[in-house]
Amino acid sequence: EAGVTQSPTHLIKTRGQQATLRCSPISGHTSVYWYQQALGLGLQFLLWYDEGEERNRGNFPPRFSGRQFPNYSSELNVNALELEDSALYLCASSLFHSGANVLTFGAGSRLTVL
Amino acid sequence: TQLLEQSPQFLSIQEGENLTVYCNSSSVFSSLQWYRQEPGEGPVLLVTVVTGGEVKKLKRLTFQFGDARKDSSLHITAAQPGDTGLYLCAGAGTGFQKLVFGTGTRLLVSP
Repeated sequence: EAGVTQSPTHLIKTRGQQATLRCSPISGHTSVYWYQQALGLGLQFLLWYDEGEERNRGNFPPRFSGRQFPNYSSELNVNALELEDSALYLCASSLFHSGANVLTFGAGSRLTVL
Repeated sequence: TQLLEQSPQFLSIQEGENLTVYCNSSSVFSSLQWYRQEPGEGPVLLVTVVTGGEVKKLKRLTFQFGDARKDSSLHITAAQPGDTGLYLCAGAGTGFQKLVFGTGTRLLVSP
């Protein structure tokens, strides 16, 4: 079974540009989550999509947006890039299991803003 | 806003030593998960604890969920270099759909 796949692995942009990151969930998973991980520490919740709809949003400005496609894959867009947007962006998909949401993560997309 | 604080933030030990990582919050969680992340990879789930006071063992790793479901601990016995990584706790509130991640503990086990 293929895991969660993310692309690109690395992305280098300059301030003011736009970045688009992509995620394919595990087959059968309908929920996709996006997290930002800066400095190799804790994860900050960005967005949650389920069945094509945005279900929840973290404390990030509107220039962070995304969407989920009919095949449940997802895209994260970051507009007007700022230096502090440099981070590892992790996508996860979920299957409700044993009363607790279990996330399976991809390897991430590392965004560097110069 | 639910916050999870982990301590210590960094831990460097020798192979064979024991260690404990703590995950604390003022909020109550319906469940708590522990993940380990290695360089270049996404976090991988180690365990989920659901019941207050629950203890789960995974080989040399022992996980405990606090009675009040506000805190958790991870104890590693006889650490090995393969245990090196970033350990993250994550709490789920009511509705389960969003996990709040802790600040992370970076563990280095030297041979």
